[in-house]
Amino acid sequence: EADIYQTPRYLVIGTGKKITLECSQTMGHDKMYWYQQDPGMELHLIHYSYGVNSTEKGDLSSESTVSRIRTEHFPLTLESARPSHTSQYLCASRGSEAFFGQGTRLTVV
Amino acid sequence: AQKITQTQPGMFVQEKEAVTLDCTYDTSDQSYGLFWYKQPSSGEMIFLIYQGSYDEQNATEGRYSLNFQKARKSANLVISASQLGDSAMYFCAMREGPSSHSGGGADGLTFGKGTHLIIQP
Repeated sequence: EADIYQTPRYLVIGTGKKITLECSQTMGHDKMYWYQQDPGMELHLIHYSYGVNSTEKGDLSSESTVSRIRTEHFPLTLESARPSHTSQYLCASRGSEAFFGQGTRLTVV
Repeated sequence: AQKITQTQPGMFVQEKEAVTLDCTYDTSDQSYGLFWYKQPSSGEMIFLIYQGSYDEQNATEGRYSLNFQKARKSANLVISASQLGDSAMYFCAMREGPSSHSGGGADGLTFGKGTHLIIQP
């Protein structure tokens, strides 16, 4: 069983608010990823990290930012949420296999 | 060009029947990995099975097996004896390059558009 956790599972928030989506893993993986998924669509990579102090943007442009101060923790932040940010955000970490958290369904109203 | 192609947007299958979900991929790398994930309506991504490009045997995990045809660049998922709980979205994904970090580029997974599988009683 994978040990990767995301909080919150669901978030409804007003436009303009700052939000942070949490992702933690206890598997000691160096590589961590954030994917964005609109309903019924495929996943798109928005951020990734190869280890502490390493962060890179993924294939899909995103206004969010990430940080990697500790190996186990890879939070994603939106400074000013907008309705266009409404989506599901999935965090993953990888050794030889990639494991996903349960996802955060974000709705910006 | 799409790197992962899943040609079946939706499938209806009778309970207890075997089902094959198609996946073709496109890469020029010699070393790569192929993954299948199940995503139920709750949204989480559940890892099912992995096949490395150099693995000679087809991967199997319980009722799941991966029909890996390297020359055809296909990695179909086969679910034997389907159950009602198998109803979900299924995504095929690929990691290009060797599993160790070789520097440069995102070695995250590239996903197909998914197949919505519905098991009927």
